Amino acid sequence: EAGVVQSPRYKIIEKKQPVAFWCNPISGHNTLYWYRQNLGQGPELLIRYENEEAVDDSQLPKDRFSAERLKGVDSTLKIQPAELGDSAVYLCASSVLTSGSYNEQFFGPGTRLTVL
Amino acid sequence: EDQVTQSPEALRLQEGESSSLNCSYTVSGLRGLFWYRQDPGKGPEFLFTLYSAGEEKEKERLKATLTKKESFLHITAPKPEDSATYLCAVHLTSGTYKYIFGTGTRLKVLA
Repeated sequence: EAGVVQSPRYKIIEKKQPVAFWCNPISGHNTLYWYRQNLGQGPELLIRYENEEAVDDSQLPKDRFSAERLKGVDSTLKIQPAELGDSAVYLCASSVLTSGSYNEQFFGPGTRLTVL
Repeated sequence: EDQVTQSPEALRLQEGESSSLNCSYTVSGLRGLFWYRQDPGKGPEFLFTLYSAGEEKEKERLKATLTKKESFLHITAPKPEDSATYLCAVHLTSGTYKYIFGTGTRLKVLA
């Protein structure tokens, strides 16, 4: 079974430039998550989708961040414009939402963003 | 405020030297506690889920336990390939979705 796929793996941009990250979850996983992980810290949830619907985006900085999950499969996270403090690893995860499943999540390798 | 704390921050063991990692939590309502392993440059890899106090799960040299205030990840006779960062996360029963990670324990096992 293929895992969660993310691209690009690395991205270096100058501040104020836009950037986008792409995620393809595990087939059949209806829940998708975007996290941000700073060096030496645990992942912090940015947004969670159930199918196409963003059901939890309270931690997403909406002035510069946006996300979409068209057709309930692939997802894109965008930052525009990027700031120096956005440098981090952006992780995508997916899971199957069932009555007996307590959110065991499967993570992709992440995109390491460096803003200069 | 809901909080997850992991200790120690870093741990160096000799191969074969057993030890335990701690994840303590103060939360409004625990739905599940999760352990993940993260290797450098990779995303976290799921290890265990624990749902209620007294529960234990085992996988090879790892054993996870849960009480009402904390969880332990016991590593028995570790090998160098067990070197990684171990993260715990809690899923809460609050009205809004909450899934909170700790900062992790960086484990280094020396041959």
